[in-house]
Amino acid sequence: DAKTTQPNSMESNEEEPVHLPCNHSTISGTDYIHWYRQLPSQGPEYVIHGLTSNVNNRMASLAIAEDRKSSTLILHRATLRDAAVYYCILISGNTPLVFGKGTRLSVIA
Amino acid sequence: DSGVTQTPKHLITATGQRVTLRCSPRSGDLSVYWYQQSLDQGLQFLIQYYNGEERAKGNILERFSAQQFPDLHSELNLSSLELGDSALYFCASSVAGPPNTGELFFGEGSRLTVL
Repeated sequence: DAKTTQPNSMESNEEEPVHLPCNHSTISGTDYIHWYRQLPSQGPEYVIHGLTSNVNNRMASLAIAEDRKSSTLILHRATLRDAAVYYCILISGNTPLVFGKGTRLSVIA
Repeated sequence: DSGVTQTPKHLITATGQRVTLRCSPRSGDLSVYWYQQSLDQGLQFLIQYYNGEERAKGNILERFSAQQFPDLHSELNLSSLELGDSALYFCASSVAGPPNTGELFFGEGSRLTVL
């Protein structure tokens, strides 16, 4: 399975943008890049996914490097409710969702 | 609310016992996934079913089994329980089966404590 590397933790001030990086240097051409997050005491929640082009939705933006070996999840204005563990996951074909350790985001008021 | 329902929310039992966790997927979703989350192991994929058939298997112990019924609900059976089985068990569902390019919806989990 293609692996991802994320920082263990990050901190952000409330109402500021947050850029969460993910490295996936062994990504294959058919791998989709998915981001999920898990808020305290809740199940994981889908955030966004993409293949090659940058993607935007109501929750976040996903910026994918031209060589696809890295990506960045962008939260445009962090709120206290965005404090969670963020997982960057590669999915291809029949592989199920495999979670790594993710990045624990703390948001400071 | 993801639309995925898991019961029970909390369960306390003793070593050696057997428990059944139940999951009702979102209406229309054909795939069901089971995950285990413990403090030291993180989120571990256990097993996936699609329209009643097993599609993928992860780190599921032989003491554990699962099935998906014709009405698409799923049950995870855990037997000969050990202290180390204490964890949060999540169920997720998605519209499609493999290839897994879609969005998974997770339930709130069943917290199992084995004493």
